[in-house]
Amino acid sequence: GENVEQHPSTLSVQEGDSAVIKCTYSDSASNYFPWYKQELGKRPQLIIDIRSNVGEKKDQRIAVTLNKTAKHFSLHITETQPEDSAVYFCAASGGVTGNQFYFGTGTSLTVIP
Amino acid sequence: EAQVTQNPRYLITVTGKKLTVTCSQNMNHEYMSWYRQDPGLGLRQIYYSMNVEVTDKGDVPEGYKVSRKEKRNFPLILESPSPNQTSLYFCASAPRGGGRSPLHFGNGTRLTVT
Repeated sequence: GENVEQHPSTLSVQEGDSAVIKCTYSDSASNYFPWYKQELGKRPQLIIDIRSNVGEKKDQRIAVTLNKTAKHFSLHITETQPEDSAVYFCAASGGVTGNQFYFGTGTSLTVIP
Repeated sequence: EAQVTQNPRYLITVTGKKLTVTCSQNMNHEYMSWYRQDPGLGLRQIYYSMNVEVTDKGDVPEGYKVSRKEKRNFPLILESPSPNQTSLYFCASAPRGGGRSPLHFGNGTRLTVT
């Protein structure tokens, strides 16, 4: 099946700086890549997603880039704020196994005021 | 309000005592799935269902059962729980399968097996 690796596992940034989280995947047939934010004690919530026919997508301070050739995708958060502090998960799906979602192990982001 | 509802939120039980965690969604979603979340391991898929009466194993199905008799409900059954099933469980649904649409998660069930 698919294998998704996520780095770094922890990330601390100063408020206002940018944060970048990277994920790699193994199944070249995967075609849907969502990112989820999980605040402490809460459920994961979708923040942005990208499909394999698109190289980049932006939503205000959040952007995701996809490099299909290298099989990696990244989350970019600009002008970070304390409320961005959370655990972020990347995921890949739609590959050979079709209906399964494979998640990375998460990145704990801390934004220091 | 569109949502995925899991019950209970917290559950403490003993080894071998059968339990069921319920999951219900009111969005008419075709796809439903269960995940367990453990520190350092992220979210791992237990079972998923493409539609009524259609279920398939995920990556970690051992020790779990599911059923999909109605479109809105997807209970997770632990016939004989063991301590290694202590975890945080999430149910999720999506409009359709094929890994093409985003998952909507429930609020989670924290299970402790002693």
